[in-house]
Amino acid sequence: KQEVTQIPAALSVPEGENLVLNCSFTDSAIYNLQWFRQDPGKGLTSLLLIQSSQREQTSGRLNASLDKSSGRSTLYIAASQPGDSATYLCAALNSGYALNFGKGTSLLVTP
Amino acid sequence: GAGVSQSPSNKVTEKGKDVELRCDPISGHTALYWYRQSLGQGLEFLIYFQGNSAPDKSGLPSDRFSAERTGGSVSTLTIQRTQQEDSAVYLCASSLWGGRADEQYFGPGTRLTVT
Repeated sequence: KQEVTQIPAALSVPEGENLVLNCSFTDSAIYNLQWFRQDPGKGLTSLLLIQSSQREQTSGRLNASLDKSSGRSTLYIAASQPGDSATYLCAALNSGYALNFGKGTSLLVTP
Repeated sequence: GAGVSQSPSNKVTEKGKDVELRCDPISGHTALYWYRQSLGQGLEFLIYFQGNSAPDKSGLPSDRFSAERTGGSVSTLTIQRTQQEDSAVYLCASSLWGGRADEQYFGPGTRLTVT
């Protein structure tokens, strides 16, 4: 069974810092890995989707990388802003159709 | 365009009552998923629908849970004889084809509280 772990569980940084969120998974036979953002009391917003054949994806200030062999993905956020404060979730898709989620990293960016 | 919508946004019910949660997927999406997000448990998969194929119910936690999808669009998740451990946020997602390259788009969720 796929186990997805996110470290750290919580992170607080001052505005303007670059930061890295980590995601690890035990079963490297994934089809894709997806990063989401969740604001308090809200649903999930998809940020980036990396297919198993890809190494990274970029969208604006966000860059996600994937290393299947080591079972790791990272989400890099450049020049963080208070509006980036949210919980960030990674999810891996193995066989079947269900995403396997980590428990998230709660990010607080202080002005 | 419109995203995934869910109703109600909040539901409070007494233990033992039945509840129905509704999901409207993105127009044109053939695949629909239900997940549950419990405090301390993270997100877990419940059920998957794709077109007219038989649903994948492997994530349903008990036979009190059922779901249907009418006309290949709207889906209803029903929980019978609710228990306090059913309290959670129920999230619906849809994707274009349900293929393994697909991105899943999530709705805002229904927060269920069983008293």
